[in-house]
Order: sequence, then structure tokens, then C-alpha cells
Amino acid sequence: ETGVTQTPRHLVMGMTNKKSLKCEQHLGHNAMYWYKQSAKKPLELMFVYNFKEQTENNSVPSRFSPECPNSSHLFLHLHTLQPEDSALYLCASSQERGLGADTQYFGPGTRLTVL
Amino acid sequence: GQNIDQPTEMTATEGAIVQINCTYQTSGFNGLFWYQQHAGEAPTFLSYNVLDGLEEKGRFSSFLSRSKGYSYLLLKELQMKDSASYLCAVKDSNYQLIWGAGTKLIIKP
Repeated sequence: ETGVTQTPRHLVMGMTNKKSLKCEQHLGHNAMYWYKQSAKKPLELMFVYNFKEQTENNSVPSRFSPECPNSSHLFLHLHTLQPEDSALYLCASSQERGLGADTQYFGPGTRLTVL
Repeated sequence: GQNIDQPTEMTATEGAIVQINCTYQTSGFNGLFWYQQHAGEAPTFLSYNVLDGLEEKGRFSSFLSRSKGYSYLLLKELQMKDSASYLCAVKDSNYQLIWGAGTKLIIKP
């Protein structure tokens, strides 16, 4: 058990659907992250929240909308996605963004398929 | 641009030793991380190096040379459960993790 949970674990959606991914961390951390992992590609950082404030948005299309209501919860709202958005979406948390030795701990991911 | 290079796939034999290399070119350096990821699971933290030298943790060791932009992960006494992808990541001057594409390690009996 990693202390970071994600739901759902698998999601299939059409291009016109709206869905949300949920992440919860039980580690008392202050930073949370969304990553996209595609086959044989490096992890792509999407969004970072530090103490509930969004600190990074790495040129992510507006069809992905993050929400961080508190330091323990992170959501990724999805709408009008494209088939190329199919991937594993990983959530991670760490003690505090900006520290060198700050280690990120990952959830199991949501396997998203867009039809 | 920033770049992390590691082999795509490696094969080794149970009980043997394997070394997975990682070279990097980044804007600044605030440490290098190794993660293990089994298929369909979360990446899990293995090691962190910020100073040159070897860090040993049980069967796993990680080495760093900052002047050469180089690290390796050494796995000893390989077990079948070590079959996984191994991800190298460097924290740059903005404290952002730059990731390699991962090395898939296949262990054969």
C-alpha cells in the first residue's frame, strides 16, 4: 500500500463524455501531481499543486481541468477528450514542492481509454 | 533541451547482477531518483542520489557522477520479482522531475 489511492482504476469513455478522476493521499503531504504515462514514453507532468495552489500547468489542453480542494484530494476533470488522450494517469504526492530530496509517492493510476 | 537516456530493455538471469545506466542533460541538478514500476502498478521509490558516489540499499545500489551526467542502478542476486521497468529521473533547477522513458528488465530462470 502506497498511501496514495486513485479511482477509478479503469475508465472507458467516449469523446463527448465528461468524467472525473480522483486521487487521495494519506501521507500528510502538501504537494500533489498529475502525470500522464504513455507506452514507452517518459512520464509527462501535467499539473502541480503545492499547499492547494496550482504552481504548474505544463501546456496541458483545456479539456483537462484539475481541482485541488485540500492538500489530501486532487481531481482531474475530463471533457471532450481525444483518442490520443488514452493513457495511464498517475497521481503523486510529496512533502513539499521545491525541496531537493523531496520524494514523490505514486498512486496505482487510472487506465483511461477514449473511444 | 533536457534529456534523460536509459536503455529500453535489458535481459538478465536469475541470481546474476545487472547494471542499468542512465545519462542526463538537464538545466541544473537537484538530485537523481530511481523508481521501480511493475506492469500495471504504481512507480515505487528506490533511491535518491545528490552527491557523487555509491549508495547501497540491500540488493540494490545506485551510483552518481555529476561531472559525467551519469548514474547507474545495480541489482544483485536477481530474483524473478525484479522483472519490472526501472525509471530514472533528475530534479532540475526548478525542482521539476525530468523522467527517462524507463528500462524494462526481463529476468530469465
